[in-house]
Amino acid sequence: KAGVTQTPRYLIKTRGQQVTLSCSPISGHRSVSWYQQTPGQGLQFLFEYFSETQRNKGNFPGRFSGRQFSNSRSEMNVSTLELGDSALYLCASSRSNMAQNNYGYTFGSGTRLTVV
Amino acid sequence: GESVGLHLPTLSVQEGDNSIINCAYSNSASDYFIWYKQESGKGPQFIIDIRSNMDKRQGQRVTVLLNKTVKHLSLQIAATQPGDSAVYFCAETYRASGYSTLTFGKGTMLLVSP
Repeated sequence: KAGVTQTPRYLIKTRGQQVTLSCSPISGHRSVSWYQQTPGQGLQFLFEYFSETQRNKGNFPGRFSGRQFSNSRSEMNVSTLELGDSALYLCASSRSNMAQNNYGYTFGSGTRLTVV
Repeated sequence: GESVGLHLPTLSVQEGDNSIINCAYSNSASDYFIWYKQESGKGPQFIIDIRSNMDKRQGQRVTVLLNKTVKHLSLQIAATQPGDSAVYFCAETYRASGYSTLTFGKGTMLLVSP
């Protein structure tokens, strides 16, 4: 069974530009969460989507946004890129939201974003 | 891939040794904990999990211990192998909230020498 697929794997953008990253969850998984990973801050939660609705949001500026489609695929967008947005962006999918008894989060390999 | 292990505490062991990686978690309300392994260029990979109503859980070569009194989690790896070299993260979440947010620890780099 296919894992979590993130595209693109690598991206280089210029300050001020905007970027869209994509995440296709495991088939049957309805929850998608996004995380930013940097050497200094570690893994930080961005947002979580379940059934096309944002259920939770981390402490990031409004330049970071996301959405989820009816097929559970998710995209995140960062506008007006800053140098500090350079990071590995990871998404994780799970079968259901946390209220139900499924504990499986599967991560994709991430998108490495470099802002120059 | 770019390293995620910069500035991380490092545990260096010899092949065949047992490894113990520790983690202090932050939220006393957290009721579910997961250990992840992350190799260079890859996303975190699930190793083992434990619910707050347990204090120990064993998997294949791995054991997780949970001490809720001091909010401490540990991962024990038996007979460590070079392939175990990676960054290890603990993560906590509060499942009863209905959300899937995982809060990750800073990570520990495990280096296994042949």
